[in-house]
Amino acid sequence: DPKIIQKPKYLVAVTGSEKILICEQYLGHNAMYWYRQSAKKPLEFMFSYSYQKLMDNQTASSRFQPQSSKKNHLDLQITALKPDDSATYFCASSQDSAYEQYFGPGTRLTVL
Amino acid sequence: AQSVTQPDARVTVSEGASLQLRCKYSYSGTPYLFWYVQYPRQGLQLLLKYYSGDPVVQGVNGFEAEFIKSNSSFHLRKASVHWSDSAVYFCAVRLASSSFSKLVFGQGTSLSVVP
Repeated sequence: DPKIIQKPKYLVAVTGSEKILICEQYLGHNAMYWYRQSAKKPLEFMFSYSYQKLMDNQTASSRFQPQSSKKNHLDLQITALKPDDSATYFCASSQDSAYEQYFGPGTRLTVL
Repeated sequence: AQSVTQPDARVTVSEGASLQLRCKYSYSGTPYLFWYVQYPRQGLQLLLKYYSGDPVVQGVNGFEAEFIKSNSSFHLRKASVHWSDSAVYFCAVRLASSSFSKLVFGQGTSLSVVP
């Protein structure tokens, strides 16, 4: 069974719209992260959360807002979508006593 | 700022041959080092990690990596590659002093194993 679930797997959106990317982890971890992978840039860190609190934010734009309704959930809301937002978004998690991060399968977002 | 360089964007090797994928990092503190593999249309899977101690670490599927502090390198090796090893390999580093610090990734090396 998959330990980190990301939904949907593929997402197509129009410019200016808003989408929410879902991430749930069943590894019992208390830290969760979002990364983005695009054709132009390597994997880049966006956010980290621990016990549902924001720990680090490396995203310049306020259009990206993480939302943590439960300890094992970290969704990503993206507003006013632009074509440059097209990328694969990966959710990851880790246990605070360990340092390796485990990644989900990703959501591939295409903005037209 | 920390950075990771994987100088080879693409590597092609013959099945059964040995492999080395290069990784160099630039980091001001004590690094934790990782190799991840990404198969087509899949997420990243952890291959191996280095925190401290023996500079040669073993990973899954016969992969190993050696941490050379003097050279700021963490090259990935495998003695004999299989066609199923074809994938993109990412080297990553994080700050040792923080449990929740970000991973910084290299650009990735696309490995093709040919018959």
